[in-house]
Amino acid sequence: GAGVSQSPRYKVAKRGQDVALRCDPISGHVSLFWYQQALGQGPEFLTYFQNEAQLDKSGLPSDRFFAERPEGSVSTLKIQRTQQEDSAVYLCASSWEGTTNEQFFGPGTRLTVL
Amino acid sequence: RKEVEQDPGPFNVPEGATVAFNCTYSNSASQSFFWYRQDCRKEPKLLMSVYSSGNEDGRFTAQLNRASQYISLLIRDSKLSDSATYLCVATSGGYQKVTFGIGTKLQVIP
Repeated sequence: GAGVSQSPRYKVAKRGQDVALRCDPISGHVSLFWYQQALGQGPEFLTYFQNEAQLDKSGLPSDRFFAERPEGSVSTLKIQRTQQEDSAVYLCASSWEGTTNEQFFGPGTRLTVL
Repeated sequence: RKEVEQDPGPFNVPEGATVAFNCTYSNSASQSFFWYRQDCRKEPKLLMSVYSSGNEDGRFTAQLNRASQYISLLIRDSKLSDSATYLCVATSGGYQKVTFGIGTKLQVIP
């Protein structure tokens, strides 16, 4: 069956460029999460959606980061004016509902900012 | 202080050994706990949920100690294929905010 997919899998951006990362959750999953994982670290929470509602964006590191899920399915994480410290793997996860259920992760997008 | 703390390791153990990891959490309101496994350059996958009564799945046993605010993972009869990073997860808050630990790296040696 189809799992969570993310695209692109790899992205190289020049400092100052804008990037958009896409996540396709498992069909029917209500909850969607974005995480940032730096090398040697655990995933750091960025933001959480329940359907199209963004219930928590407290983990977004700055106002350069923006996420949306307009129709309650596909989600996009946008980073404006990328900086070198934005280099990381960006993971998307989805679950049936809420945060007490198993989260299914996508393969991640590895972003490198030069 | 991080909300969820783990010893990053690495833990190098021989095949067949028993190994235990602990994870402490600082938010006493945390309600749900999980262990995820992450292989190198792969995404995390759920290993097991952690219940107050403790739970076992084959060679893996998870325990929760709410009084001391820690959870543990015990792996018996370690296999080479158990080599991975084990991530501790706690959820808390009104909608159950999810917090991952840094992960504990396990290397099982032949």
